[in-house]
Amino acid sequence: DVKVTQSSRYLVKRTGEKVFLECVQDMDHENMFWYRQDPGLGLRLIYFSYDVKMKEKGDIPEGYSVSREKKERFSLILESASTNQTSMYLCASSFIGQGAINQPQHFGDGTRLSIL
Amino acid sequence: GQNIDQPTEMTATEGAIVQINCTYQTSGFNGLFWYQQHAGEAPTFLSYNVLDGLEEKGRFSSFLSRSKGYSYLLLKELQMKDSASYLCAVLDSNYQLIWGAGTKLIIKP
Repeated sequence: DVKVTQSSRYLVKRTGEKVFLECVQDMDHENMFWYRQDPGLGLRLIYFSYDVKMKEKGDIPEGYSVSREKKERFSLILESASTNQTSMYLCASSFIGQGAINQPQHFGDGTRLSIL
Repeated sequence: GQNIDQPTEMTATEGAIVQINCTYQTSGFNGLFWYQQHAGEAPTFLSYNVLDGLEEKGRFSSFLSRSKGYSYLLLKELQMKDSASYLCAVLDSNYQLIWGAGTKLIIKP
């Protein structure tokens, strides 16, 4: 089974701090994604990456950056945390390439981040 | 703009059948996914539809009508463990997933 592991289930940080969320997948997937999930809203894509050192902005990249130095690891960085970034953060990974269009994204258990 | 609509919450009885609807307006269409998400857990893949019609997988079935921009997830013989949120997501012309807000399904004994 695919395993996507996020470094923390719960995290509390203060306004202005730099916050790192880590995600590791063990299935050699090319694609990796960071979402945030808020009540009443769908999953919103922050950033994604289709290869090492490659990154693409999603729908809500402001206030975030990412790093993909190794294929299995995708990090989300909150440069200067603000209270409106309190949310559930979900990492996902998937295959890429011909015949992969129907391949689902596999999710980690999420990090519930609170910014005080 | 792109939009996915699902009911916010539904209630059903153990042993019964429930249908969760999803309507979409997206720029292009490359398939529709259904995911299940238990509270505090990761979403898990249930089904993928790209052609019109019904796909059955055990107690769960998913239906798609591309001309109507409509899908439903049908859950039969409901069990208490089916209490969860069900997320509908459409793969658009850029191969990006557009997500609905999810439907919270409450199962009562």
